[in-house]
Amino acid sequence: NAGVTQTPKFQVLKTGQSMTLQCAQDMNHEYMSWYRQDPGMGLRLIHYSVGAGITDQGEVPNGYNVSRSTTEDFPLRLLSAAPSQTSVYFCASSKTGTDEAFFGQGTRLTVV
Amino acid sequence: QQQVKQSPQSLIVQKGGIPIINCAYENTAFDYFPWYQQFPGKGPALLIAIRPDVSEKKEGRFTISFNKSAKQFSLHIMDSQPGDSATYFCAARANTGGFKTIFGAGTRLFVKA
Repeated sequence: NAGVTQTPKFQVLKTGQSMTLQCAQDMNHEYMSWYRQDPGMGLRLIHYSVGAGITDQGEVPNGYNVSRSTTEDFPLRLLSAAPSQTSVYFCASSKTGTDEAFFGQGTRLTVV
Repeated sequence: QQQVKQSPQSLIVQKGGIPIINCAYENTAFDYFPWYQQFPGKGPALLIAIRPDVSEKKEGRFTISFNKSAKQFSLHIMDSQPGDSATYFCAARANTGGFKTIFGAGTRLFVKA
């Protein structure tokens, strides 16, 4: 059972480039979310989804897009990368919004 | 504006000591308060959680104390071990508005052998 899988683990982007961070879960969880982790800031919610076809904004959504076409996948798109988006990104999933959240291993993104 | 305030930022204790991490919140819609443990290079993992209808919850060496009137909660680690060295996050979740979970800034704990 793989749980929550994030790819890639590491990525370096140039300012202005776009890219997609992948997140997949094999637990048939309805609820998925993306967080960014920065020193001294904890984890901040970027976007979340309560099920396929439904997404909503979290605390820090600017500069990021998401879509949820299947229950398993929840990709995070950076439209035009900026140095301020240098961070560690975590995807999480839970059976519903009220259950325990399981996190992926993270993607460390550097924007130069 | 940080909705969940966590302190201290870092903590060093001797093996066998009892580190205490404190959190405070403002939003009275929060009704679920989990603590997560994160080791370097890994994602956070749920450690223990509490709801506001109880004042204390114990799981093994980990205890959450909850003060609803003060809107504060804390994590105590009894008989701490070097293997407990990690970053700890408190969090809070509302029962409305998409069940968003909001995290504190984290506490880096180091337990000396």
